[in-house]
Amino acid sequence: DAGVIQSPRHEVTEMGQEVTLRCKPISGHDYLFWYRQTMMRGLELLIYFNNNVPIDDSGMPEDRFSAKMPNASFSTLKIQPSEPRDSAVYFCASSLTQADTQYFGPGTRLTVL
Amino acid sequence: EDQVTQSPEALRLQEGESSSLNCSYTVSGLRGLFWYRQDPGKGPEFLFTLYSAGEEKEKERLKATLTKKESFLHITAPKPEDSATYLCAVSISGSARQLTFGSGTQLTVLP
Repeated sequence: DAGVIQSPRHEVTEMGQEVTLRCKPISGHDYLFWYRQTMMRGLELLIYFNNNVPIDDSGMPEDRFSAKMPNASFSTLKIQPSEPRDSAVYFCASSLTQADTQYFGPGTRLTVL
Repeated sequence: EDQVTQSPEALRLQEGESSSLNCSYTVSGLRGLFWYRQDPGKGPEFLFTLYSAGEEKEKERLKATLTKKESFLHITAPKPEDSATYLCAVSISGSARQLTFGSGTQLTVLP
């Protein structure tokens, strides 16, 4: 398996623009997680899905953030409008079961100017 | 409040100089403790999972141990390629939340 795939790897945008990050989990994994990593706050869970259904979105910082999982092989994290404080590395991870090991993608480095 | 604390924040070792990284946790019920390695510009890479006090796991120069309050990642005779940030995370029983990560230890092994 190719592992978790994320795109784009780097995104530079201007404040106020819409940003869409994409993730393809490992085939057969029922759980998908979106994380954000910054120097100040470390790795934070934003939202996770089980069988394409959002289970816990309490980590989503604001209404500007939204996530969808239209099918088992694709998820998006959208920020609209983006702000400079959203600059971070965003990771997607997937796992077979709730208690199982999470496998991370390579991340998307987002810079909002 | 559930907390995961890693120490030290940064560690510099000479090649071959063994040491340990610490992950202490305060949680209501531990379901599992995970160790990850993260290289610059990459996602965290899974190393170990520990589930109960007294459990130990080994992989090459790394050994992870678990007590009721903390976990140690022992590095024996490290090499420069072991340089990375090491993250620990806990999964909490009865919580819908998934992994809670510590802030990591940045390890540098000098040749």
